[in-house]
Amino acid sequence: GQNIDQPTEMTATEGAIVQINCTYQTSGFNGLFWYQQHAGEAPTFLSYNVLDGLEEKGRFSSFLSRSKGYSYLLLKELQMKDSASYLCAVTRRGYQKVTFGTGTKLQVIP
Amino acid sequence: GAVVSQHPSWVICKSGTSVKIECRSLDFQATTMFWYRQFPKQSLMLMATSNEGSKATYEQGVEKDKFLINHASLTLSTLTVTSAHPEDSSFYICSADWAGGYEQFFGPGTRLTVL
Repeated sequence: GQNIDQPTEMTATEGAIVQINCTYQTSGFNGLFWYQQHAGEAPTFLSYNVLDGLEEKGRFSSFLSRSKGYSYLLLKELQMKDSASYLCAVTRRGYQKVTFGTGTKLQVIP
Repeated sequence: GAVVSQHPSWVICKSGTSVKIECRSLDFQATTMFWYRQFPKQSLMLMATSNEGSKATYEQGVEKDKFLINHASLTLSTLTVTSAHPEDSSFYICSADWAGGYEQFFGPGTRLTVL
């Protein structure tokens, strides 16, 4: 089976740093996605981690620990446009489909 | 990057009618397309996985006779909601991937409202 947990909501200040955590219990775990979704729009790809460690991509970084079943998305220099839902999703070996967590709604305030 | 389109972007229909939603990969051949449903303030729930030329694989609890999926070519998949009811009102999103890639490319979504 699969279980993916994320905080439901977070609030952070413009210009600050925020870390969104995701924990998972997935048999046959292969990799973990982070997607950004603005209200009423489709998700957009942020990152995909397969190996342990931190991957940095501009203001966004994603970390994975396979042994701990844990990932986080780090957003630096927050901007108002970063207000969105952030979805953690996992893939399993031998399966095509992606399973999404419930998402974390991030609100950036001035 | 790869582009996936959906049509229509929104549709309003009467209860009991059928609605067809198209999902197209515009600049790549999609070996697999996925159909998701998203209710307000909830995450994406996978409805079915569709491979070109074969029958779709539906997730548990999704009625295959109600949600008809056709994947006739490597660039087009359709979802038909048959005998739609108000509880079928939702945001339907398709995604596509290609052989050798890991990323799913999402369409812009179709908002269905059943009156």
